[in-house]
Amino acid sequence: GENVEQHPSTLSVQEGDSAVIKCTYSDSASNYFPWYKQELGKGPQLIIDIRSNVGEKKDQRIAVTLNKTAKHFSLHITETQPEDSAVYFCAASMGRPNDYKLSFGAGTTVTVRA
Amino acid sequence: NAGVTQTPKFRILKIGQSMTLQCTQDMNHNYMYWYRQDPGMGLKLIYYSVGAGITDKGEVPNGYNVSRSTTEDFPLRLELAAPSQTSVYFCASSYSGGDQPQHFGDGTRLSIL
Repeated sequence: GENVEQHPSTLSVQEGDSAVIKCTYSDSASNYFPWYKQELGKGPQLIIDIRSNVGEKKDQRIAVTLNKTAKHFSLHITETQPEDSAVYFCAASMGRPNDYKLSFGAGTTVTVRA
Repeated sequence: NAGVTQTPKFRILKIGQSMTLQCTQDMNHNYMYWYRQDPGMGLKLIYYSVGAGITDKGEVPNGYNVSRSTTEDFPLRLELAAPSQTSVYFCASSYSGGDQPQHFGDGTRLSIL
């Protein structure tokens, strides 16, 4: 089955700096890559996703890049703010409507220092 | 829309007790999922459902049961609670399978002593 590895497990950044989280996946058939943000005491919330037909997607201060050849994808947060402090999860799936399985990374705890 | 609602938020059980974790969604999603989240680990799929009356096992189904009598509700049952089932449980839903994002509830924190 699909195996998703996520690095680093913890990340501390100065407010205003950038944060980068990297994930690798094992199954070349994976086609859909969402990123989730989990705040303390809450469930994961989708922040951005990318499909295999694009290499990069941006939404304000958040961007995701995908390298299908190398089987890795990354989350980039620019101009970090205190409210960006949370646990971030990457995930991968086959991207087919009838395929339920979403494989998650172990998570990255991001702390933004004021 | 309330999205995905889970109850209770917290619960402490004794070993051997049973309980049902409730999950309901108001987005008319076909797919629903139950995950458990242990410290330092990702989310592990327990059970999932592709529609009312249809359920199937995920990665870690042992010790749990589910039912899906309506589109909205997907309860998770623990029959004989064991300390290994201490975890945070999340319910999620999506319109279809792997090509659509999953929407999560805020979780049930369960301790078994």
